[in-house]
Amino acid sequence: GEDVEQSLFLSVREGDSSVINCTYTDSSSTYLYWYKQEPGAGLQLLTYIFSNMDMKQDQRLTVLLNKKDKHLSLRIADTQTGDSAIYFCAESRGGGYQKVTFGTGTKLQVIP
Amino acid sequence: SAVISQKPSRDICQRGTSLTIQCQVDSQVTMMFWYRQQPGQSLTLIATANQGSEATYESGFVIDKFPISRPNLTFSTLTVSNMSPEDSSIYLCSVTQGAEGYTFGSGTRLTVV
Repeated sequence: GEDVEQSLFLSVREGDSSVINCTYTDSSSTYLYWYKQEPGAGLQLLTYIFSNMDMKQDQRLTVLLNKKDKHLSLRIADTQTGDSAIYFCAESRGGGYQKVTFGTGTKLQVIP
Repeated sequence: SAVISQKPSRDICQRGTSLTIQCQVDSQVTMMFWYRQQPGQSLTLIATANQGSEATYESGFVIDKFPISRPNLTFSTLTVSNMSPEDSSIYLCSVTQGAEGYTFGSGTRLTVV
């Protein structure tokens, strides 16, 4: 079945850039997502990318996709303490009505 | 995007009892999804709930343990039945936003003692 892997933990200093990496196995993945979960809260969709794109930028967030290697990354520029959360990578074969498979989540700790 | 109200936000329950979690959406949606997030782990899809039909359960989840209702296009409930400590998790409902992914409720943190 589909599998999505992430490193468990990342620690960065405030003001630095954070890079969270994700690998997936499903070559039929069409949509790839990044979600943020703050303590005690649900998941918030940060951004998504179609599999025919290799980069998407949205303010401080940059998503890079290497489809050949099935590797996705999320770069957060000028990381702030409010960015401390768990970040989940997710993939699906189609938008909306297709099953979404979530990664294990990366806990980002921002040190003031 | 849709706004989801989920309740209760947390509960502590005795083993052997049942808890019903409610999910209310501010717009009509065809499909609603129920996830479980066990401590320190990722999200696992329990079932997909369509209005007017029985829910579709993922492997490892059964209707007797997790009965779901979907009486209309804005509301769904998930019941966790005959609870044991292994059911202690966060339960989240979600609706699709088309290609733009899913919107999630704030979750129900369940502790079974």
